Amino acid sequence: DGGITQSPKYLFRKEGQNVTLSCEQNLNHDAMYWYRQDPGQGLRLIYYSQIVNDFQKGDIAEGYSVSREKKESFPLTVTSAQKNPTAFYLCASSIFAGGTGELFFGEGSRLTVL
Amino acid sequence: AQSVTQLGSHVSVSEGALVLLRCNYSSSVPPYLFWYVQYPNQGLQLLLKYTSAATLVKGINGFEAEFKKSETSFHLTKPSAHMSDAAEYFCAVSDTGNQFYFGTGTSLTVIP
Repeated sequence: DGGITQSPKYLFRKEGQNVTLSCEQNLNHDAMYWYRQDPGQGLRLIYYSQIVNDFQKGDIAEGYSVSREKKESFPLTVTSAQKNPTAFYLCASSIFAGGTGELFFGEGSRLTVL
Repeated sequence: AQSVTQLGSHVSVSEGALVLLRCNYSSSVPPYLFWYVQYPNQGLQLLLKYTSAATLVKGINGFEAEFKKSETSFHLTKPSAHMSDAAEYFCAVSDTGNQFYFGTGTSLTVIP
């Protein structure tokens, strides 16, 4: 079945370590997104990409990095520069680069910094 | 920039009662509007969307929403709540800029 696969589901990290969250989609969607979710704050956009080898910062990009080398893949790296990385991370994609299609979400990755 | 306001971070209803979750948006252009549902530790699932067709939109699981331009609202309703409706609900708006703006969510509790 088509969909978005995020891994790992749960991840623990020590302070000062970089971690990479995987996001793969087989929906042939053009646009992909990373959101951070904290209790009571809704979803906040970290990065998005409309096309391979191109991506834009969202509202809270500091301390994060992404790449888009393939249409299907949009990994997110949480760097040691992110001061409060413990959160639930959601990857999403949409078919229309013009924003008229809905977002399809993965199951999420929960990152905990020890 | 767009913004979305969801009135009421927590809503409780009795099983079988009407569900009403409120959403207001700010937009200078006709928006695309969405309602999503999220169960614990899962991603978001689309309930319904408005894309400038009929103003009353029907979605999955018996939910529907009405677009009211004069009130800049897109409230979500369901005539009769079921225990399985207990979840977090998010309203979202998208303009033509390929960005989506989410409300802070409403947690729905269904009381047996």
